[in-house]
Amino acid sequence: SSELTQDPAVSVALGQTVRITCQGDSLRSYYASWYQQKPGQAPVLVIYGKNNRPSGIPDRFSGSSSGNTASLTITGAQAEDEADYYCNSRDSSGNHLGVVFGGGTKLTVL
Amino acid sequence: QVQLQESGPGLVKPSQTLSLTCTVSGGSISSGGYYWSWIRQHPGKGLEWIGYIYYSGSTYYNPSLKSRVTISVDTSKNQFSLKLSSVTAADTAVYYCASQKQQLVHEYFQHWGQGTLVTVSS
Repeated sequence: SSELTQDPAVSVALGQTVRITCQGDSLRSYYASWYQQKPGQAPVLVIYGKNNRPSGIPDRFSGSSSGNTASLTITGAQAEDEADYYCNSRDSSGNHLGVVFGGGTKLTVL
Repeated sequence: QVQLQESGPGLVKPSQTLSLTCTVSGGSISSGGYYWSWIRQHPGKGLEWIGYIYYSGSTYYNPSLKSRVTISVDTSKNQFSLKLSSVTAADTAVYYCASQKQQLVHEYFQHWGQGTLVTVSS
């Protein structure tokens, strides 16, 4: 199956901009989706498709993609953005029916 | 707003079958708008997709778990279920159910249950 690679940890100063990346061959064919997970809670979808935010997600979250890399950008990071972030996409191997997740990035807001 | 709730035993003995049910509210499984998935998270680790089912009964499983997984749907109860056979301690995880959109180039999990911890231990 395909793999998605994320940096294990990223930090950002309060109010600054941070980019979290996700790399994988499947991203050449499919958009990545992004999830925020805080300790003890279920993941929450924050970005899907080209750059779509579900209702209730602040507009400081945005997504982009180039080649085999998808990015989640938080512009003006807030203390409440400290969380684990996961990307996922369709698995481009085999019959393209499966799903793959990245290993996750722990975001620290300093 | 679609809501999902997992239920089932929190403790399963090794070699037995793990069984969980996800009850969907605020929307009908039969509406056809979503696939219905199971995802797990080992303690302190990342997310692992287990498999999904469509309301028609069509399924697709993670190849790494396929030999042990069965996902079924009961549209009359608006529920779908997971069975994982021959469990070991490596199957100890938080299990989530989720609604999944699978479109041409999009793939995302829109609604999630709160998750349920299943521990495999004698």
